[in-house]
Amino acid sequence: AQSVTQPDIHITVSEGASLELRCNYSYGATPYLFWYVQSPGQGLQLLLKYFSGDTLVQGIKGFEAEFKRSQSSFNLRKPSVHWSDAAEYFCAVNTGTASKLTFGTGTRLQVTL
Amino acid sequence: EAQVTQNPRYLITVTGKKLTVTCSQNMNHEYMSWYRQDPGLGLRQIYYSMNVEVTDKGDVPEGYKVSRKEKRNFPLILESPSPNQTSLYFCASSLPPHGRDEQYFGPGTRLTVT
Repeated sequence: AQSVTQPDIHITVSEGASLELRCNYSYGATPYLFWYVQSPGQGLQLLLKYFSGDTLVQGIKGFEAEFKRSQSSFNLRKPSVHWSDAAEYFCAVNTGTASKLTFGTGTRLQVTL
Repeated sequence: EAQVTQNPRYLITVTGKKLTVTCSQNMNHEYMSWYRQDPGLGLRQIYYSMNVEVTDKGDVPEGYKVSRKEKRNFPLILESPSPNQTSLYFCASSLPPHGRDEQYFGPGTRLTVT
């Protein structure tokens, strides 16, 4: 069965600093990969997704992620964080079976001014 | 506006009192799913439905029931709620289940069972 690891439970960055959130997955083939963001009291919103092609994908709100097959990773990045980016971020994988999304445990991002 | 709606948004109930959380989507999606979110555990799938009258268990189905009589609706039923079902619940939907498609999430239902 597939699994997703987000090793950082909580990250604090200063506004304007760069950000990288880590995500590693375990699956025999290349899964479909997603990053979702959950703002306080809100549902989940898709930031970006990868399923084939260019391994660097651009998303909304200035986020990007890079798929690295050799490392089974799909890390999320942003060059300059804004205070409004404070939220919880979830990496998820879908192996194409019954559209089942398997989520990581999430990384809570705090942004200091 | 394309959306997934859930009701109620907040619910406090007592052990053993049957409840239903409704979920409705207006995007004509075939696939619908329920997740629960618990601190430190992320989101875990409870049940999913590939289409009308087709449902199956996810990772944590114990204590829950679902039905899919209409394409747009996918209610979650807790026939005898227990405190360990206190959680934040999300309904989601997507286009034909090819895996690569985005799942659209409802706003969540925060359930407390005392």
